[in-house]
Amino acid sequence: DTAVSQTPKYLVTQMGNDKSIKCEQNLGHDTMYWYKQDSKKFLKIMFSYNNKELIINETVPNRFSPKSPDKAHLNLHINSLELGDSAVYFCASSLGGSSYNSPLHFGNGTRLTVT
Amino acid sequence: GQQLNQSPQSMFIQEGEDVSMNCTSSSIFNTWLWYKQEPGEGPVLLIALYKAGELTSNGRLTAQFGITRKDSFLNISASIPSDVGIYFCAGHISSGSARQLTFGSGTQLTVLP
Repeated sequence: DTAVSQTPKYLVTQMGNDKSIKCEQNLGHDTMYWYKQDSKKFLKIMFSYNNKELIINETVPNRFSPKSPDKAHLNLHINSLELGDSAVYFCASSLGGSSYNSPLHFGNGTRLTVT
Repeated sequence: GQQLNQSPQSMFIQEGEDVSMNCTSSSIFNTWLWYKQEPGEGPVLLIALYKAGELTSNGRLTAQFGITRKDSFLNISASIPSDVGIYFCAGHISSGSARQLTFGSGTQLTVLP
């Protein structure tokens, strides 16, 4: 199936730990994103990335960092996890880069719970 | 940051009724997109609008790109139980070097049998 897939679906961890969420897309898209959805369901962009450009939302703490081994993958690394990091994190991809008006295709989310 | 005002925040309707929701902004948008999110899943694209005044249908769904480019609405006709979910508007703002997608706050739709 063509899709954006992310793992794990659920992640429970303690404060201070470092964790990663993986994302892969087989849609042939050249731009990938990470969004954070809070408890009020608001979707906020964290990063957009293609092989030329990483755009970081200025409100994202530097404890969060995207890592892209190739065009089909964009992993999210989080250091020193805090309680406020608990949320659902969505990976997404699109064609044409963030300067084009192309729709995003989303993964099914990773629910992160920090205790 | 840029904001999209989406309303209503939630709706409870009877099966068979029509539904309307809308988004407005003080900024001009190049595109308007409507997504649906079901529990435990990511948002799924329903309709994409690319031109001011454009009216597009997808089955029982109809959406329009406002003439002013600052608003859009989504209508669902003859609602059914599987229409339940959160509906998000989203758009690419015309200004700025990186036209990142901005989302509205969502409309939670509940369809009562």
